[in-house]
Amino acid sequence: AQSVTQLGSHVSVSEGALVLLRCNYSSSVPPYLFWYVQYPNQGLQLLLKYTSAATLVKGINGFEAEFKKSETSFHLTKPSAHMSDAAEYFCAVDRGSQGNLIFGKGTKLSVKP
Amino acid sequence: GAGVSQSPSNKVTEKGKDVELRCDPISGHTALYWYRQRLGQGLEFLIYFQGNSAPDKSGLPSDRFSAERTGESVSTLTIQRTQQEDSAVYLCASSLERTGYGYTFGSGTRLTVV
Repeated sequence: AQSVTQLGSHVSVSEGALVLLRCNYSSSVPPYLFWYVQYPNQGLQLLLKYTSAATLVKGINGFEAEFKKSETSFHLTKPSAHMSDAAEYFCAVDRGSQGNLIFGKGTKLSVKP
Repeated sequence: GAGVSQSPSNKVTEKGKDVELRCDPISGHTALYWYRQRLGQGLEFLIYFQGNSAPDKSGLPSDRFSAERTGESVSTLTIQRTQQEDSAVYLCASSLERTGYGYTFGSGTRLTVV
């Protein structure tokens, strides 16, 4: 069965610092993997997705994620944090033919000036 | 429409009352999903519609919860005899047939049961 684990419910970085949000997955089939961002009082917005093409995936707002099969990881990074990046980030894995995405518990990112 | 539309955006109801939450998916999206997000929690899958197939109801927490979808358009999530633990944001999403395309989420309905 597919599952997702996000390490760290809360991450705090300084403006301009590297952002690293961790996601590990479990899947019995080659997975599709996603990162979503949720700003306060809004729905979730797709940041990027891995669908078995390039292992390094670039998304919106300067974020990228690398699929590492050997580590079953799909960590999200951004070289330089901006105040506007403060939000909650969710990693998700596709259940394949069963249809729905399974989401991690989320990581809240705070950016200090 | 251009995005996924949910209504109402906020709903306050008394314990024991029934509520209906509405979702208008993106035109052409055959798949529709409902999730629940409790305060400080992740997303909890509730139900999934795909075209004319029988819905996947495996995430519904009790028989007080039900959902319908008219063809490939509007969906309604109904909660009967609401309880305080039902207070949450209810998120709807839609996607093209294959989830590899990713979901588009609505802004959610914030339900408060008092």
